[in-house]
Amino acid sequence: RKEVEQDPGPFNVPEGATVAFNCTYSNSASQSFFWYRQDCRKEPKLLMSVYSSGNEDGRFTAQLNRASQYISLLIRDSKLSDSATYLCAVVAGGGADGLTFGKGTHLIIQP
Amino acid sequence: DTAVSQTPKYLVTQMGNDKSIKCEQNLGHDTMYWYKQDSKKFLKIMFSYNNKELIINETVPNRFSPKSPDKAHLNLHINSLELGDSAVYFCASSQFRGPSYEQYFGPGTRLTVT
Repeated sequence: RKEVEQDPGPFNVPEGATVAFNCTYSNSASQSFFWYRQDCRKEPKLLMSVYSSGNEDGRFTAQLNRASQYISLLIRDSKLSDSATYLCAVVAGGGADGLTFGKGTHLIIQP
Repeated sequence: DTAVSQTPKYLVTQMGNDKSIKCEQNLGHDTMYWYKQDSKKFLKIMFSYNNKELIINETVPNRFSPKSPDKAHLNLHINSLELGDSAVYFCASSQFRGPSYEQYFGPGTRLTVT
């Protein structure tokens, strides 16, 4: 079983629509959860940390469900500039633990 | 104000050569990492260092040797380069102590071995 799984897509979504991605993780001891955004040939950029209580940043909302071991990302009122690959990342412990990434979900916002 | 920087951005070299990649961060973090993103875009941890000390060493060939002269710098030296080493190598940094373990990435070094 893969450690972090995501639907690779692509998700083709019209501008202005709402889109949601899920990501599942296998290590129940995982402590920290993140969504990163990666544009073509660029570095991953931190989009949001994900907390148990859920968190929102503008048009973006992230949720964590520890019981079912998944995290989600919701993008409202999508913009053309939201087109990118969205990477789910999990840290098993803390400190210097590396991020375990999913393979990413490719999102294409269409005009 | 580049937070995490890497040099070089592109590296094209022949099989068998030895090369180094340098990374520096000015975020005041004490933990740094090397990740490899292969041609299938899968991003995987290679090493992590905390205050110049090696913490994580994933199953990476020993041709790869990281070195951290101080907590703001982490270099990666690769000996006897092979075709399969072609990838994008990302450096990242974070704080060792929480509550946030957010990692910030450098722009990457695209290594092509011919």
